[in-house]
Amino acid sequence: TQLLEQSPQFLSIQEGENLTVYCNSSSVFSSLQWYRQEPGEGPVLLVTVVTGGEVKKLKRLTFQFGDARKDSSLHITAAQTGDTGLYLCAGAARGGTSYGKLTFGQGTILTVHP
Amino acid sequence: NAGVTQTPKFRVLKTGQSMTLLCAQDMNHEYMYWYRQDPGMGLRLIHYSVGEGTTAKGEVPDGYNVSRLKKQNFLLGLESAAPSQTSVYFCASSYGGHNQPQHFGDGTRLSIL
Repeated sequence: TQLLEQSPQFLSIQEGENLTVYCNSSSVFSSLQWYRQEPGEGPVLLVTVVTGGEVKKLKRLTFQFGDARKDSSLHITAAQTGDTGLYLCAGAARGGTSYGKLTFGQGTILTVHP
Repeated sequence: NAGVTQTPKFRVLKTGQSMTLLCAQDMNHEYMYWYRQDPGMGLRLIHYSVGEGTTAKGEVPDGYNVSRLKKQNFLLGLESAAPSQTSVYFCASSYGGHNQPQHFGDGTRLSIL
């Protein structure tokens, strides 16, 4: 069974601060996906990182996939109140029989105060 | 674009009752998934389907059954509801294969008394 440890579980910061969320595993993943979920809605994909060492930027959000494809991080620069939400990392299993299954981390609840 | 639609959005059941949650997708996706989301535990896979007429167990399948009679629909059944099944249930679909994103519905909030 593959496990993804996501930290921190809760993050409460002021607008303008920077933050980093981490996802770690002892397993190697084919790719790592990051989702954002708002109350009453389903998760929505932010980004997929596929190559070890890959860095992707989405405006103020920077995503990195570890060289060994076992970990990933999400860094937000100058957080805004609109960034508030639940952030989930999800690892895609390797192998032809994975059927696109994802292993999700526990999630990080981010609250950005004005 | 409807995407993934889940019905109902809310439901309260008594212990021992049965019900079916419906998921419909209009993106012609091959793969569909049912998850449950509980506080502090992320999303856990209950059952999934890689095509019409096929289903398979996920991480937490006990107490649930599924059917995929049509490509666009994936049904999740609770035969005899238990309080431990109180949760928010999400359906998702994808094109399938490696690294494809999953598209989620807005969830069904289910309470078992």
